Amino acid sequence: DIQMTQSPSTLSASVGDRVIITCRASRSMNSWLAWYQQKPGKAPKLLIDEASNLQSGVPSRFSGSGSGTEFTLTISSLQPDDSATYYCQQYDSFIYTFGQGTKLEIK
Amino acid sequence: EVQLMQSAAEVKKPGESLRISCKGSGYSFTTYWINWVRQMPGRGLEWMGRIDPTDSYTNYSPSFQGLVTISTDTSINTAYLHWSSLKASDTAIYYCARNSGEGAGGLDVWGQGTTVTVSS
Repeated sequence: DIQMTQSPSTLSASVGDRVIITCRASRSMNSWLAWYQQKPGKAPKLLIDEASNLQSGVPSRFSGSGSGTEFTLTISSLQPDDSATYYCQQYDSFIYTFGQGTKLEIK
Repeated sequence: EVQLMQSAAEVKKPGESLRISCKGSGYSFTTYWINWVRQMPGRGLEWMGRIDPTDSYTNYSPSFQGLVTISTDTSINTAYLHWSSLKASDTAIYYCARNSGEGAGGLDVWGQGTTVTVSS
């Protein structure tokens, strides 16, 4: 199985900041990687798939990049509504796995 | 509107069996695989397994293989997650979610979650 390690686990940033969340895979993989946003009491929401494909309706301040073993989610200008937990997920192997999550707080 | 509607919350005792459901609407149910994801209290997301509604082919995370069974009834566009003998450690929210593409892809449509509480 491919293990996914996210960093940091928690992050506190101010409105307008550029925020980067990293997801590292235990082995090299294709770009079959997704990013999700989850707010308390809600189901996760797909933001990005295929590492960089922004889903319809997702603000353009969100972007994804990366290849091989390292992938990143970038929020170019943090907004109050972005306070949430973010997860990466690989679907490169037959057994999917999620990262452990990054809790993003707004200062 | 494309949606997945899950069954209501359950409270069960250890050793009891349980089946929760996930009904798809607004799309061709047999075209997209259905996944199940666990979220234990205060914890992250764990992928449990998925099913191809076309032929009921399944694959499971090793962490859940043999502990749960995923099935579908395509006549009513519904997927199921079944336990034969619950444990207290099965207490969690369970989400169903659809693969965005045929056989693969990120999980683009999610159910609202079913809370399962197992307590004596």
